[in-house]
Amino acid sequence: ELKVEQNPLFLSMQEGKNYTIYCNYSTTSDRLYWYRQDPGKSLESLFVLLSNGAVKQEGRLMASLDTKARLSTLHITAAVHDLSATYFCAVDFMDSNYQLIWGAGTKLIIKP
Amino acid sequence: ETGVTQTPRHLVMGMTNKKSLKCEQHLGHNAMYWYKQSAKKPLELMFVYNFKEQTENNSVPSRFSPECPNSSHLFLHLHTLQPEDSALYLCASSQGPRTSGSYEQYFGPGTRLTVT
Repeated sequence: ELKVEQNPLFLSMQEGKNYTIYCNYSTTSDRLYWYRQDPGKSLESLFVLLSNGAVKQEGRLMASLDTKARLSTLHITAAVHDLSATYFCAVDFMDSNYQLIWGAGTKLIIKP
Repeated sequence: ETGVTQTPRHLVMGMTNKKSLKCEQHLGHNAMYWYKQSAKKPLELMFVYNFKEQTENNSVPSRFSPECPNSSHLFLHLHTLQPEDSALYLCASSQGPRTSGSYEQYFGPGTRLTVT
């Protein structure tokens, strides 16, 4: 079964702290995507990771991909309130005809 | 217009009404998707079109009827909906599996549907 699992599903943290969201997937793929969704809004693409060892950074967010471990991480450095959102990871698998299989999302709340 | 557009942005309809949602992509993509997002539920893929051909129908009730006249336009026709169909309906587009590169999906702003 093609599965993408995120953890935690909910995270409440203080401004200024660091934390990591994990995304595990069930079978071989070297393409993983991170999206952000603000309440009541659509999904916005954050990162596209297309190879083992890929690392991308944008501001206080950094995403990495380890295809051997079937694991991606989204690391938040010195969190600020504006990063409060729900973060989704998604993977495309050859067996899914390259449709994205989505994680359940991590709802992140950053308190001042 | 740029990116992916959806109309209407908000829709309230009765259970006996018929309405349609429209999606248009200006990105030159060949695959288009309808998703349903309900409160506290994961993103649900409803339909996939690749080069205008429907390639997926994930057990969606027949009261939802998609139409893809060309690679840039996608419609979702709605009739005799139920209150549990109230949700955010998202359209997305991407390169399809017959092309190279990533299959990053670009989303429209969504239609917030309320069925009364």
